[in-house]
Amino acid sequence: AQTVTQSQPEMSVQEAETVTLSCTYDTSESDYYLFWYKQPPSRQMILVIRQEAYKQQNATENRFSVNFQKAAKSFSLKISDSQLGDAAMYFCAYTKMGSNYKLTFGKGTLLTVNP
Amino acid sequence: ETGVTQTPRHLVMGMTNKKSLKCEQHLGHNAMYWYKQSAKKPLELMFVYNFKEQTENNSVPSRFSPECPNSSHLFLHLHTLQPEDSALYLCASSPSSTGVGYTFGSGTRLTVV
Repeated sequence: AQTVTQSQPEMSVQEAETVTLSCTYDTSESDYYLFWYKQPPSRQMILVIRQEAYKQQNATENRFSVNFQKAAKSFSLKISDSQLGDAAMYFCAYTKMGSNYKLTFGKGTLLTVNP
Repeated sequence: ETGVTQTPRHLVMGMTNKKSLKCEQHLGHNAMYWYKQSAKKPLELMFVYNFKEQTENNSVPSRFSPECPNSSHLFLHLHTLQPEDSALYLCASSPSSTGVGYTFGSGTRLTVV
C-alpha cells in the first residue's frame, strides 16, 4: 500500500522568508501524481501545486515550487517570500494512475508565519 | 466558494439520532468522495463514487451509509454513531482523470454526544 510521510508536524517562518516542507512517499508504481494541499482555518482544502511523476521538471506556481526527487521518493514544497496568508496546514498527497481516483494523504504540517 | 458545497457546516447529534450530510457540486465532475479528517491522523478515504456508482468502500462501518442519486449530489446518512466518529467530514469531487486532483468542500464538523 502506498504511504505518504510528512516528518514535520509543525514549522514556522518569518514573513518574507523562505520555508521548505518535507514529504516522502512509498510506492512501487512508476506513473503517479503528487500534490500539495493547503488547509487554512476556514477548513477549505485548496490545491497548491501538482507534479506528474513522468515529468522531470519541477512544478512551480508563483511563490510555490517543489523539489521532486523520484529516485528518493521525495516531494518537498518550497514557499518563497512567505506571507501571513500562507499560514495553514499543508498536506502532501499521492495518487497512482488508474487508482480509482484515490488520493492518499500525509498527516500534514502546520505552518506558522510570524510577522 | 470553490464549487463544492457541504451542509450543514456543524452538526451535533446524539448516539441514537439519524442525520444526513449533504454535498453538492456543479463543476461537471464525474467522481465524488467522502473523507474523514480526525486530529493527528491522515485523511481517511471512506467512499468513492464514479458516475453515480460506488467504486470504493474503505471498510467503513455500516452506521455510515452513502447515497449518490446523481453525479452532482452525494449524501452521507448517519445513524447510531459513536463518540469516536466525531470528526470533520470532507466531500470532494474530481473529473474522470486522476491527475488533476480534487476540489474539496469546507466540510461538516460532526460532534457525537
